[in-house]
Amino acid sequence: DQQVKQNSPSLSVQEGRISILNCDYTNSMFDYFLWYKKYPAEGPTFLISISSIKDKNEDGRFTVFLNKSAKHLSLHIVPSQPGDSAVYFCAARGNDYKLSFGAGTTVTVRA
Amino acid sequence: ETGVTQSPTHLIKTRGQQVTLRCSSQSGHNTVSWYQQALGQGPQFIFQYYREEENGRGNFPPRFSGLQFPNYSSELNVNALELDDSALYLCASSATGLITSYNEQFFGPGTRLTVL
Repeated sequence: DQQVKQNSPSLSVQEGRISILNCDYTNSMFDYFLWYKKYPAEGPTFLISISSIKDKNEDGRFTVFLNKSAKHLSLHIVPSQPGDSAVYFCAARGNDYKLSFGAGTTVTVRA
Repeated sequence: ETGVTQSPTHLIKTRGQQVTLRCSSQSGHNTVSWYQQALGQGPQFIFQYYREEENGRGNFPPRFSGLQFPNYSSELNVNALELDDSALYLCASSATGLITSYNEQFFGPGTRLTVL
């Protein structure tokens, strides 16, 4: 049962433009959401997170938006840079403290 | 300060065999979590060890077992390997056992297991 879904397997964006990654979830008990970034042959690295009591969190070029009523969150990267090319995973924490991950979105930033 | 390391990098086994994967946590971390990432999917939580005790488990059968040692390094053991066990196995370490600060969870590069 996939409780966290990233419906876009890939995204291609031009350098300098905005990248928008989307994530949907089904479990209303999730209280904490995270985005991870993964380069080939490396483990995922934490990027940014948001608590369910907030609707926006910003860290430099990265902003995460949470819409609880729609059970939807998104990650905005502005401006996109070539080093942002990677796989991005959305993850959510339930009341059992386990993390559930989406399948990932591969972002390619074109020069 | 060394990061999270895993060994081996790659492994090929046949169905029915047993495998042991190893993880060295980051210095100062006492918690290790293991994840299975099948091709085209996100990581799936297997279990977590905190101070040598299992501290939470995902939906994996008992043939997936683990250990954590006094130095906080960890092993993942899988018995009676099945073809579907082919995946990237990731471990992640953190300094807290309560999984309250995932921004402090650091992943290793993973072990790629292929079951033939």
